[in-house]
Amino acid sequence: DAGITQSPRYKITETGRQVTLMCHQTWSHSYMFWYRQDLGHGLRLIYYSAAADITDKGEVPDGYVVSRSKTENFPLTLESATRSQTSVYFCASSTGTGVSYEQYFGPGTRLTVT
Amino acid sequence: AQSVAQPEDQVNVAEGNPLTVKCTYSVSGNPYLFWYVQYPNRGLQFLLKYITGDNLVKGSYGFEAEFNKSQTSFHLKKPSALVSDSALYFCAVRESGANNLFFGTGTRLTVIP
Repeated sequence: DAGITQSPRYKITETGRQVTLMCHQTWSHSYMFWYRQDLGHGLRLIYYSAAADITDKGEVPDGYVVSRSKTENFPLTLESATRSQTSVYFCASSTGTGVSYEQYFGPGTRLTVT
Repeated sequence: AQSVAQPEDQVNVAEGNPLTVKCTYSVSGNPYLFWYVQYPNRGLQFLLKYITGDNLVKGSYGFEAEFNKSQTSFHLKKPSALVSDSALYFCAVRESGANNLFFGTGTRLTVIP
């Protein structure tokens, strides 16, 4: 059981390029999340999705686009990458967003924008 | 608005000694609190949570946390630290009705052999 996977694990791109980070989960969890992790900020929510074709903004959505055509996939696209988007990106999933539900995290993608 | 504070960026403890990683929170209404651990080059792993009930919550790998409503704290503890406990620890809170977790900035725990 692979759980939740992310690809690529490492990515270097140039300013202005479009980049897509992939997230795939095998649990059929309804909810999926994208976070970025930066020193001094902990994890901050970018976007989340309650089900296929349902997405909503988190704390720091600017410059990012998401889609969810299938329950198991939740790609994150940086339409025109900027240096401030250099970060480690984590995808997570959960069976629900009720207060008792914990989230399960992927291994992360380290993105560097030059 | 919800917030979480982890006042210590770094905690060092000798192997075999008890450890405490501190967390305080601010929410409207009842708090729902979580601890996660992150090992190098890995995603976050769930350790334990407080939703309601007993103030002392037991979790994975021998960790426990004590919820203190009057002090708005949820400190992570372990009676005897292992070198393998060395990692980055995150406290997180969710307000009732909120869709996401709000994370603290993390505390790096180093257990010294």
